[in-house]
Amino acid sequence: QVHLLQSGAEVKMPGASVKVSCKASEYTFTFHYIHWVRQAPGQGLEWMGRINPDSGGTNYAQKFQDRVTMTRDTSINTVYMELTSLRSDDTAVYYCARDPHDRNWFDPWGQGTLVTVSS
Amino acid sequence: QSALTQPASVSGSPGQSITISCTGTNSGVGSYNLVSWYQQHPGEAPKLMIYEVTKRPSGVSNRFSGSKSGSTASLTISGLQPEDEADYYCCSYAGSSFYVFGTGTTVTVL
Repeated sequence: QVHLLQSGAEVKMPGASVKVSCKASEYTFTFHYIHWVRQAPGQGLEWMGRINPDSGGTNYAQKFQDRVTMTRDTSINTVYMELTSLRSDDTAVYYCARDPHDRNWFDPWGQGTLVTVSS
Repeated sequence: QSALTQPASVSGSPGQSITISCTGTNSGVGSYNLVSWYQQHPGEAPKLMIYEVTKRPSGVSNRFSGSKSGSTASLTISGLQPEDEADYYCCSYAGSSFYVFGTGTTVTVL
């Protein structure tokens, strides 16, 4: 069964960076894009960007263009999302999700990683 | 990219049908048949319910159906059941490798 396992919750100071991991299992890692979506407390879903695990190519939402980097390590079937210059409004649950064969929908999703930005 | 517009809340009694709309101008909804819908229960990750406007993944109840007219996509839940109470989000491919989610709708089963 296809599965995405994310790293654990993080607490960061304003101005710091956070790197969240998403480990894929039970499918060919390089065949499917991985997207990152975040959800602030009590708010809706927000698309952040995607990575092609095969080529490493990325597309980022304009809002995050200057602060986000998505990378992958094909040796361990893992993608990473790093967000820099953290602010309090970056406090959110961050999800990774698979896009099967670049068909523009997301299934399955990781369990989510809570990132709290607080001084 | 602005979020797609959804009603904040929709409610219905068990057994009834409800429809959630998802509207976007210049957002890709009208240009691509690449709208998907996600169900999210409190404290859980979203779950795919509909993809490519009308298609239902294996394992999703046939009480869920999708459609689109112009720049508005819709999700209909028929035979409403208590377990359908959740938040629902639409998402559309917006072109140039970008995506946009809807504002989200809370479904309440009365």
